[in-house]
Amino acid sequence: GAVVSQHPSWVICKSGTSVKIECRSLDFQATTMFWYRQFPKQSLMLMATSNEGSKATYEQGVEKDKFLINHASLTLSTLTVTSAHPEDSSFYICSAKAYRGMNTEAFFGQGTRLTVV
Amino acid sequence: QQPVQSPQAVILREGEDAVINCSSSKALYSVHWYRQKHGEAPVFLMILLKGGEQKGHDKISASFNEKKQQSSLYLTASQLSYSGTYFCGTEHLLQGAQKLVFGQGTRLTINP
Repeated sequence: GAVVSQHPSWVICKSGTSVKIECRSLDFQATTMFWYRQFPKQSLMLMATSNEGSKATYEQGVEKDKFLINHASLTLSTLTVTSAHPEDSSFYICSAKAYRGMNTEAFFGQGTRLTVV
Repeated sequence: QQPVQSPQAVILREGEDAVINCSSSKALYSVHWYRQKHGEAPVFLMILLKGGEQKGHDKISASFNEKKQQSSLYLTASQLSYSGTYFCGTEHLLQGAQKLVFGQGTRLTINP
């Protein structure tokens, strides 16, 4: 299957700093990327959907100014957690679709475990 | 609009069968099935699009009922490698944006 690379795999940062997570599609052009947050033993909660070249669509309750998403190219989307706080600690996962169509699978990155101290 | 999965957890012995259900109060556009092992990213298993559809690979198969409101994942003669958390996901198109949302997951444990 298609490969989605997410970096870093884990990051520990101090409270108040910003962290950037990258999601790259290595062997296909990702027209749509999804960003999820996952707490231990819980489901994947959709945070936002981003389409290349346009603004991300955020889910209700997700702060746009805190979780900045940029999808500048067909192979790269970034999530920046600004002014991180301990409650932002979580597992963040991106997934990408090769086509805009609704009937295609999404491929997931390896995830990034963020710990804010 | 999160789909509902059942059961929440299943414990089996190797070789036994399991069924995981995914349902929604409204017709779904499609159903995706993924398996996630601890600390890893979810891995795509299959996608179903049409009411009445059934498909599978090896000993893992899935069905989508005619009304497209329920899907089931079948694991037959389970292997140790089947252990993990299974998620069903469904797609929506809302205000021009695609969304792929997941159920709460079913934790499957296979014991020797």
